[in-house]
Amino acid sequence: DADVTQTPRNRITKTGKRIMLECSQTKGHDRMYWYRQDPGLGLRLIYYSFDVKDINKGEISDGYSVSRQAQAKFSLSLESAIPNQTALYFCATSDFALSGMRTQYFGPGTRLTVL
Amino acid sequence: GENVEQHPSTLSVQEGDSAVIKCTYSDSASNYFPWYKQELGKRPQLIIDIRSNVGEKKDQRIAVTLNKTAKHFSLHITETQPEDSAVYFCAASNNAGNMLTFGGGTRLMVKP
Repeated sequence: DADVTQTPRNRITKTGKRIMLECSQTKGHDRMYWYRQDPGLGLRLIYYSFDVKDINKGEISDGYSVSRQAQAKFSLSLESAIPNQTALYFCATSDFALSGMRTQYFGPGTRLTVL
Repeated sequence: GENVEQHPSTLSVQEGDSAVIKCTYSDSASNYFPWYKQELGKRPQLIIDIRSNVGEKKDQRIAVTLNKTAKHFSLHITETQPEDSAVYFCAASNNAGNMLTFGGGTRLMVKP
């Protein structure tokens, strides 16, 4: 699904460095999310935004910050990266489906390694 | 908050057999239960979902059942094929899908 893109796709960084992951969407969806995926732990919500002026913490927001620059752009920052933030990060958007419920659409993911 | 547990963590079946993945949830107010499939190196993609006012939903070879009283729901895949091999995630939402809580995932391997 090329409508949700993430950059970079892979990143290796060092402990203490600041890093930004970017997400863009052309779906026109108002709601955007950042998840982290670790083996055996599923997808855990870091932050979510229901519109440009609405930012909310998710389950595991410590050590992360976000910025919603426009409806189509939602960035995730690690102010001072640490090795246990090594993970696969997914951005997602959501819109109403025919079921009347919101369906989430995921980007391709960013694999981040912190040495 | 919501807690979703998923079992088994790995499942190996012969091609043509059925596969069943089970999830339990903790929040009785949950009203939406989607299932996502993630192929190796790919993004999770929705394959089927069910609302709390429905007990069962079917789409070709996949079906989902929901037991609200017991707070569990299951994914059933019949006549499995090698291309069904992937990681499957269940999720639950108490706000119509605005926020999802995911299970830990099940790695399904279909042996030819």
